[in-house]
Amino acid sequence: GAVVSQHPSWVICKSGTSVKIECRSLDFQATTMFWYRQFPKQSLMLMATSNEGSKATYEQGVEKDKFLINHASLTLSTLTVTSAHPEDSSFYICSASIAGGSYNEQFFGPGTRLTVL
Amino acid sequence: SQQGEEDPQALSIQEGENATMNCSYKTSINNLQWYRQNSGRGLVHLILIRSNEREKHSGRLRVTLDTSKKSSSLLITASRAADTASYFCAPQGGKLIFGQGTELSVKP
Repeated sequence: GAVVSQHPSWVICKSGTSVKIECRSLDFQATTMFWYRQFPKQSLMLMATSNEGSKATYEQGVEKDKFLINHASLTLSTLTVTSAHPEDSSFYICSASIAGGSYNEQFFGPGTRLTVL
Repeated sequence: SQQGEEDPQALSIQEGENATMNCSYKTSINNLQWYRQNSGRGLVHLILIRSNEREKHSGRLRVTLDTSKKSSSLLITASRAADTASYFCAPQGGKLIFGQGTELSVKP
């Protein structure tokens, strides 16, 4: 149980295009989903916290107009990287907390590797 | 929120040996979690230890927590090549903030 999926697992796009990444909780409802970014050999950096039905809360330094987050249902959150540039190339990982739970345990997706040419 | 700092940054051992990784943090926590990440993959939750617990076991994993020293350790006993991965601690007093991790290499 508590499986989180991400789609796609990897994507290559041209500079200036937008890319959408999906995060789904497969067997549970997640009121809160989190988006992380990880550069090579570095740790995961929290980008934003997404609550179902409300606007996402972005961490300092993360451009909300560039990284659009939508959490329209209890099982799906999407991250859209708009006008992607090579410096946006990274590993994007989402996680989800079970509805009614807290930050106590997050279930992580397998990640999406984005390469911007 | 706060960040955990893992030590050492890298650890290389032979199969069968034990591996110990340490984590330090700065402020009060509700619990502390350890995660594993294989290269290019997502995180796998290993174990959660609450602030009122001192030690916890799960299979070959043993985690200790010393809130007075604001530190935790993860011990992997009888390591296997498949344990090769990066290990992160995430002390939690709110949001999960990850440190740089310990890169463990277990040689067969």
